[in-house]
Amino acid sequence: NAGVMQNPRHLVRRRGQEARLRCSPMKGHSHVYWYRQLPEEGLKFMVYLQKENIIDESGMPKERFSAEFPKEGPSILRIQQVVRGDSAAYFCASSPRGDASYNEKLFFGSGTQLSVL
Amino acid sequence: QQQVKQSPQSLIVQKGGISIINCAYENTAFDYFPWYQQFPGKGPALLIAIRPDVSEKKEGRFTISFNKSAKQFSLHIMDSQPGDSATYFCAASKDNFNKFYFGSGTKLNVKP
Repeated sequence: NAGVMQNPRHLVRRRGQEARLRCSPMKGHSHVYWYRQLPEEGLKFMVYLQKENIIDESGMPKERFSAEFPKEGPSILRIQQVVRGDSAAYFCASSPRGDASYNEKLFFGSGTQLSVL
Repeated sequence: QQQVKQSPQSLIVQKGGISIINCAYENTAFDYFPWYQQFPGKGPALLIAIRPDVSEKKEGRFTISFNKSAKQFSLHIMDSQPGDSATYFCAASKDNFNKFYFGSGTKLNVKP
């Protein structure tokens, strides 16, 4: 049973380009979360999605960032016109339900390291 | 503002010793407190978690102590091993929801 798959592992973009980060949740998981980790900091919540729905995007910057989780295919985090401050590790996580009940784990992928030149 | 404050930032422990990492929170609505372990180049992995209706949770060498009145919780790693060397994050969430507020992390180095 493959875990949460993220690609690419490393992504280099020049300022002004677009970055697309992909996340395939674990099999049977229909809830996806994106978190951003800056160097020497903890993870910061960005967005929570179910299939075809954005449930909570309170952590997403108002501009340039968008996320989707289509009926078919992986979840995509899209960053338009990247700036140096977007350089970070972006982690995707999935769960079978959106319920942090005691027995439910949130499974994280290995992340995408975005570097903006 | 930082919803969950974690200390220390780094920790060096001798093999066999006890590692203690502390976290404090402000929001009394938080009702789920997990600890995550992260190795370099990997995503965080759930280590152990607790709800505020108990004061302690133990799984193997890992124990969470929870003090609801002080709004603090801590991770204790007994008999620390070099393989425990990693970054540890505490987190909190509310309303049975997987939107976590993470602490800033503690880099643990267990020396042989």
